[in-house]
Amino acid sequence: DQQVKQNSPSLSVQEGRISILNCDYTNSMFDYFLWYKKYPAEGPTFLISISSIKDKNEDGRFTVFLNKSAKHLSLHIVPSQPGDSAVYFCAASVYGGSQGNLIFGKGTKLSVKP
Amino acid sequence: SQTIHQWPATLVQPVGSPLSLECTVEGTSNPNLYWYRQAAGRGLQLLFYSVGIGQISSEVPQNLSASRPQDRQFILSSKKLLLSDSGFYLCAWRGRMRAFFGQGTRLTVV
Repeated sequence: DQQVKQNSPSLSVQEGRISILNCDYTNSMFDYFLWYKKYPAEGPTFLISISSIKDKNEDGRFTVFLNKSAKHLSLHIVPSQPGDSAVYFCAASVYGGSQGNLIFGKGTKLSVKP
Repeated sequence: SQTIHQWPATLVQPVGSPLSLECTVEGTSNPNLYWYRQAAGRGLQLLFYSVGIGQISSEVPQNLSASRPQDRQFILSSKKLLLSDSGFYLCAWRGRMRAFFGQGTRLTVV
Protein backbone atom coordinates (compact mmCIF):
# COMPACT_ATOMS: atom_id res chain seq x y z
CA ASP A 1 0.00 0.00 0.00
CA GLN A 2 1.53 3.27 -1.12
CA GLN A 3 1.40 5.85 1.61
CA VAL A 4 2.86 8.61 -0.54
CA LYS A 5 1.66 8.95 -4.10
CA GLN A 6 2.90 11.02 -6.98
CA ASN A 7 0.41 10.22 -9.69
CA SER A 8 2.12 12.08 -12.51
CA PRO A 9 5.25 10.25 -13.65
CA SER A 10 6.27 13.16 -15.85
CA LEU A 11 5.62 16.84 -16.45
CA SER A 12 6.79 19.11 -19.25
CA VAL A 13 6.84 22.89 -18.82
CA GLN A 14 8.10 25.83 -20.85
CA GLU A 15 10.97 27.87 -19.42
CA GLY A 16 9.71 30.84 -17.41
CA ARG A 17 6.33 29.27 -16.66
CA ILE A 18 5.17 27.69 -13.43
CA SER A 19 5.80 24.02 -12.63
CA ILE A 20 3.36 22.39 -10.24
CA LEU A 21 4.24 18.99 -8.84
CA ASN A 22 1.64 17.15 -6.83
CA CYS A 23 1.76 14.63 -4.03
CA ASP A 24 -0.94 12.82 -2.05
CA TYR A 25 -0.58 10.85 1.15
CA THR A 26 -2.80 8.45 3.02
CA ASN A 27 -1.29 8.29 6.51
CA SER A 28 -2.90 10.99 8.65
CA MET A 29 -0.06 10.58 11.17
CA PHE A 30 2.45 12.15 8.79
CA ASP A 31 3.42 15.56 10.10
CA TYR A 32 6.51 16.49 8.14
CA PHE A 33 6.87 16.63 4.38
CA LEU A 34 9.87 17.13 2.14
CA TRP A 35 10.70 17.52 -1.52
CA TYR A 36 13.88 16.14 -3.01
CA LYS A 37 15.39 16.72 -6.41
CA LYS A 38 17.36 14.02 -8.17
CA TYR A 39 19.56 14.09 -11.24
CA PRO A 40 20.46 10.83 -13.02
CA ALA A 41 23.20 8.79 -11.34
CA GLU A 42 23.25 11.09 -8.31
CA GLY A 43 21.76 10.93 -4.84
CA PRO A 44 18.66 13.03 -4.12
CA THR A 45 19.24 16.48 -2.69
CA PHE A 46 16.94 18.21 -0.27
CA LEU A 47 14.88 21.02 -1.74
CA ILE A 48 12.25 22.27 0.68
CA SER A 49 10.13 21.00 3.56
CA ILE A 50 6.98 21.83 5.45
CA SER A 51 5.65 20.95 8.86
CA SER A 52 2.00 20.04 9.31
CA ILE A 53 1.47 23.13 11.45
CA LYS A 54 1.93 25.26 8.33
CA ASP A 55 0.14 25.37 5.02
CA LYS A 56 2.82 27.11 3.02
CA ASN A 57 6.58 27.39 2.96
CA GLU A 58 8.55 29.44 0.50
CA ASP A 59 12.21 29.44 -0.45
CA GLY A 60 13.17 31.53 -3.44
CA ARG A 61 11.54 30.12 -6.56
CA PHE A 62 10.20 27.11 -4.64
CA THR A 63 6.98 27.06 -2.64
CA VAL A 64 5.38 24.05 -1.01
CA PHE A 65 1.67 24.09 -0.15
CA LEU A 66 0.07 21.66 2.27
CA ASN A 67 -3.65 20.88 2.41
CA LYS A 68 -4.05 18.60 5.41
CA SER A 69 -7.78 18.03 4.97
CA ALA A 70 -7.17 16.77 1.45
CA LYS A 71 -3.91 15.02 2.41
CA HIS A 72 -2.30 16.79 -0.49
CA LEU A 73 0.83 18.82 -1.02
CA SER A 74 2.26 20.52 -4.03
CA LEU A 75 5.56 22.06 -5.07
CA HIS A 76 5.47 25.21 -7.18
CA ILE A 77 8.52 26.34 -9.11
CA VAL A 78 8.30 29.86 -10.48
CA PRO A 79 9.81 30.69 -12.90
CA SER A 80 10.90 27.30 -14.16
CA GLN A 81 14.41 27.02 -15.56
CA PRO A 82 16.02 24.33 -17.73
CA GLY A 83 18.31 23.45 -14.81
CA ASP A 84 15.22 22.43 -12.85
CA SER A 85 14.84 19.42 -15.13
CA ALA A 86 15.16 16.43 -12.81
CA VAL A 87 13.10 13.85 -10.96
CA TYR A 88 11.30 15.29 -7.94
CA PHE A 89 10.42 13.08 -5.00
CA CYS A 90 7.89 13.86 -2.36
CA ALA A 91 8.57 12.36 1.08
CA ALA A 92 6.69 12.21 4.37
CA SER A 93 7.42 11.13 7.89
CA VAL A 94 6.03 10.95 11.37
CA TYR A 95 8.30 13.17 13.40
CA GLY A 96 9.63 11.25 16.32
CA GLY A 97 7.62 8.21 15.34
CA SER A 98 9.36 4.79 15.56
CA GLN A 99 12.47 5.53 13.55
CA GLY A 100 11.31 8.69 11.82
CA ASN A 101 11.61 6.98 8.46
CA LEU A 102 11.03 8.96 5.33
CA ILE A 103 8.51 7.41 2.97
CA PHE A 104 8.98 8.48 -0.63
CA GLY A 105 6.68 8.69 -3.59
CA LYS A 106 7.63 7.26 -6.97
CA GLY A 107 8.80 10.61 -8.29
CA THR A 108 7.81 12.97 -11.08
CA LYS A 109 10.20 13.68 -13.91
CA LEU A 110 10.13 17.39 -14.73
CA SER A 111 11.34 18.61 -18.10
CA VAL A 112 11.72 22.34 -18.56
CA LYS A 113 12.04 23.27 -22.21
CA PRO A 114 13.95 26.39 -23.30
CA SER B 1 29.87 19.39 8.38
CA GLN B 2 28.45 15.96 7.78
CA THR B 3 29.33 13.99 4.68
CA ILE B 4 28.29 10.60 3.47
CA HIS B 5 30.43 8.36 1.30
CA GLN B 6 29.16 5.48 -0.73
CA TRP B 7 31.06 3.16 -3.04
CA PRO B 8 31.46 1.89 -5.63
CA ALA B 9 29.62 4.25 -7.98
CA THR B 10 28.87 1.52 -10.49
CA LEU B 11 28.99 -2.25 -10.33
CA VAL B 12 28.27 -5.03 -12.79
CA GLN B 13 27.92 -8.43 -11.19
CA PRO B 14 26.88 -11.84 -12.55
CA VAL B 15 23.82 -13.61 -11.22
CA GLY B 16 24.69 -15.71 -8.20
CA SER B 17 27.69 -13.64 -7.17
CA PRO B 18 27.97 -11.95 -3.76
CA LEU B 19 27.51 -8.25 -3.12
CA SER B 20 28.95 -5.78 -0.66
CA LEU B 21 28.19 -2.07 -0.80
CA GLU B 22 29.68 0.18 1.82
CA CYS B 23 28.55 3.48 3.24
CA THR B 24 30.29 5.67 5.79
CA VAL B 25 29.24 8.90 7.42
CA GLU B 26 31.53 11.62 8.74
CA GLY B 27 30.86 14.52 11.04
CA THR B 28 28.12 13.01 13.14
CA SER B 29 27.79 10.34 15.78
CA ASN B 30 25.11 7.72 16.31
CA PRO B 31 23.30 8.57 13.08
CA ASN B 32 20.19 6.81 11.85
CA LEU B 33 21.33 5.13 8.63
CA TYR B 34 19.26 3.91 5.70
CA TRP B 35 19.55 1.90 2.51
CA TYR B 36 17.15 2.81 -0.29
CA ARG B 37 16.79 1.37 -3.74
CA GLN B 38 15.52 3.19 -6.79
CA ALA B 39 14.21 0.73 -9.34
CA ALA B 40 12.48 1.65 -12.57
CA GLY B 41 8.94 2.85 -11.90
CA ARG B 42 9.17 2.23 -8.17
CA GLY B 43 10.56 5.41 -6.71
CA LEU B 44 12.75 5.28 -3.63
CA GLN B 45 12.06 2.12 -1.70
CA LEU B 46 13.34 1.85 1.87
CA LEU B 47 15.22 -1.43 2.30
CA PHE B 48 16.88 -1.24 5.71
CA TYR B 49 17.40 1.19 8.53
CA SER B 50 19.64 1.16 11.56
CA VAL B 51 19.53 3.23 14.73
CA GLY B 52 22.79 1.88 16.15
CA ILE B 53 25.60 -0.64 15.94
CA GLY B 54 24.25 -4.11 15.27
CA GLN B 55 20.64 -2.85 15.06
CA ILE B 56 19.08 -3.51 11.67
CA SER B 57 15.45 -3.35 10.65
CA SER B 58 14.23 -4.61 7.31
CA GLU B 59 11.33 -2.94 5.55
CA VAL B 60 10.79 -5.44 2.76
CA PRO B 61 11.59 -9.13 2.42
CA GLN B 62 14.28 -9.64 -0.16
CA ASN B 63 17.51 -11.21 -1.18
CA LEU B 64 19.60 -8.60 0.59
CA SER B 65 20.90 -8.06 4.10
CA ALA B 66 22.47 -5.17 5.96
CA SER B 67 24.96 -4.83 8.76
CA ARG B 68 26.28 -2.03 10.91
CA PRO B 69 29.63 -3.08 12.32
CA GLN B 70 30.60 0.44 13.40
CA ASP B 71 28.69 3.56 14.40
CA ARG B 72 29.24 5.32 11.09
CA GLN B 73 29.42 2.35 8.75
CA PHE B 74 26.51 0.66 7.03
CA ILE B 75 26.93 -2.28 4.66
CA LEU B 76 24.49 -3.78 2.18
CA SER B 77 25.16 -7.39 1.22
CA SER B 78 23.90 -10.35 -0.67
CA LYS B 79 25.18 -13.91 -0.80
CA LYS B 80 23.77 -14.58 -4.28
CA LEU B 81 22.56 -11.80 -6.52
CA LEU B 82 19.41 -12.09 -8.61
CA LEU B 83 18.61 -10.23 -11.82
CA SER B 84 15.88 -8.41 -9.91
CA ASP B 85 18.49 -6.92 -7.56
CA SER B 86 19.56 -4.51 -10.30
CA GLY B 87 18.89 -0.91 -9.41
CA PHE B 88 20.30 2.27 -7.97
CA TYR B 89 21.18 1.89 -4.31
CA LEU B 90 21.34 4.86 -2.02
CA CYS B 91 22.68 5.19 1.48
CA ALA B 92 21.31 7.96 3.65
CA TRP B 93 21.54 9.31 7.16
CA ARG B 94 18.81 11.16 8.96
CA GLY B 95 19.57 14.44 10.61
CA ARG B 96 17.17 16.20 12.92
CA MET B 97 14.50 16.40 10.25
CA ARG B 98 15.85 15.73 6.79
CA ALA B 99 17.78 12.88 5.22
CA PHE B 100 21.08 13.28 3.41
CA PHE B 101 21.97 10.90 0.63
CA GLY B 102 25.16 9.48 -0.77
CA GLN B 103 25.88 9.57 -4.47
CA GLY B 104 24.46 6.13 -5.04
CA THR B 105 25.63 2.86 -6.59
CA ARG B 106 24.32 1.69 -9.93
CA LEU B 107 24.17 -2.11 -9.69
CA THR B 108 23.60 -4.14 -12.82
CA VAL B 109 23.19 -7.87 -12.40
CA VAL B 110 23.85 -9.75 -15.62
